[in-house]
Amino acid sequence: SQTIHQWPATLVQPVGSPLSLECTVEGTSNPNLYWYRQAAGRGLQLLFYSVGIGQISSEVPQNLSASRPQDRQFILSSKKLLLSDSGFYLCAWSRAQGMHSPLHFGNGTRLTVT
Amino acid sequence: AQKITQTQPGMFVQEKEAVTLDCTYDTSDPSYGLFWYKQPSSGEMIFLIYQGSYDQQNATEGRYSLNFQKARKSANLVISASQLGDSAMYFCAIERKNTGFQKLVFGTGTRLLVSP
Repeated sequence: SQTIHQWPATLVQPVGSPLSLECTVEGTSNPNLYWYRQAAGRGLQLLFYSVGIGQISSEVPQNLSASRPQDRQFILSSKKLLLSDSGFYLCAWSRAQGMHSPLHFGNGTRLTVT
Repeated sequence: AQKITQTQPGMFVQEKEAVTLDCTYDTSDPSYGLFWYKQPSSGEMIFLIYQGSYDQQNATEGRYSLNFQKARKSANLVISASQLGDSAMYFCAIERKNTGFQKLVFGTGTRLLVSP
């Protein structure tokens, strides 16, 4: 069966510090991968998605970037965090042929920028 | 662009009763899909049920069913025989078909509280 791992679970970082959140998927190959962010009391906003190694698409301009160095690894990064980067970050995967295919989410990372 | 509206910020239901969580959507795509997810306090998003716009029958998954009314652009989630473990946030989402990947647009969610 497929599993998705996301870490760390919580993170407190000062403004201006770098960020690296990692996500890995097991039990499937060539998945579509996604990073979503959930602000407090809000729905989820798609940040990045990837259909293959090195292929990253950004949904919104922001202080963050994403990379996919391996087929089942997806990394969310920032060089300098802003207060507005605080939130709950969720990694997700779906089958490559995404029609009718639900997103499967990791447990999320709660990021607080102080 | 797609949009999901969930007008109920919070709902209360007694254990073993049924509850309906509202979702209306807006899209210009001729073909689309609708999802419901559950988010417990622990934070993970759990997929519950899917409805395709061309599906003839309403989707059902165990105690979950989707009341899909295409003309009204609504896709309400019905939970039968509520359990204490159903207390969580519930999100409705719409996908764009024919893209090969899941660019879901989520609503703001409804918090469901099940009381004994």
